[in-house]
Amino acid sequence: EVQLVESGGGLVQPGGSLRLSCAASGFTFSSYWMSWVRQAPGKGLEWVATIKQDGSEKYYVDSVKGRFTISRDNAKNSLYLQMNSLRAEDTAVYYCAKGQSSWIEWGQGTLVTVSS
Amino acid sequence: QSVLTQPPSASGTPGQRVTISCSGSSSNIGRNTANWYQHLPGTAPKLLIYTHNQRPSGVPDRFSGSKSGTSASLAISGLQSDDEADYYCAAWDDSLNGVVFGGGTKLTVL
Repeated sequence: EVQLVESGGGLVQPGGSLRLSCAASGFTFSSYWMSWVRQAPGKGLEWVATIKQDGSEKYYVDSVKGRFTISRDNAKNSLYLQMNSLRAEDTAVYYCAKGQSSWIEWGQGTLVTVSS
Repeated sequence: QSVLTQPPSASGTPGQRVTISCSGSSSNIGRNTANWYQHLPGTAPKLLIYTHNQRPSGVPDRFSGSKSGTSASLAISGLQSDDEADYYCAAWDDSLNGVVFGGGTKLTVL
């Protein structure tokens, strides 16, 4: 059974940093693209970033370019999202999802709140 | 403002058929596959349709998808109260080099 478990969310002040993790199990992690998707309170779903199997290609939504970094450790079956210079508008539930753009498996999400 | 355009709301009575539209452009739906997700508050989104009209295992055949040009549609037949949720279309956009979503359609079962 595929499992994706996010962690690392919490309350952070504007301008601060946070690192999200996603522990994957139940599939060959190194064979799949992986992505982060978020949903701000009262808003719709928004794709955040995607990374290729070997980490050689990374794509970001414009609003996080230069501030967020997606990475992975295939030896640890883990996906990461380093978030710097956080803004109030980054407040959202962050989901990790298996795949490049068709996501069958999702984690349960982790809440990031950016507030002073 | 979302790159893909969906109606903000839709409704139907139990047993009815409803259709949700998703309008895109040549750089997304016109060139790449459209996917549809069902999202209930507090839960992870669920993939309903991928590659325009394919259903993952476990998704009832009451859900179907189609594409015409730069638009896609999700149809739900035999509407049930459990279908009340938010529905999102999504596709890879070659110009933006990323996935774009529609703004979501809130489906109400009357």
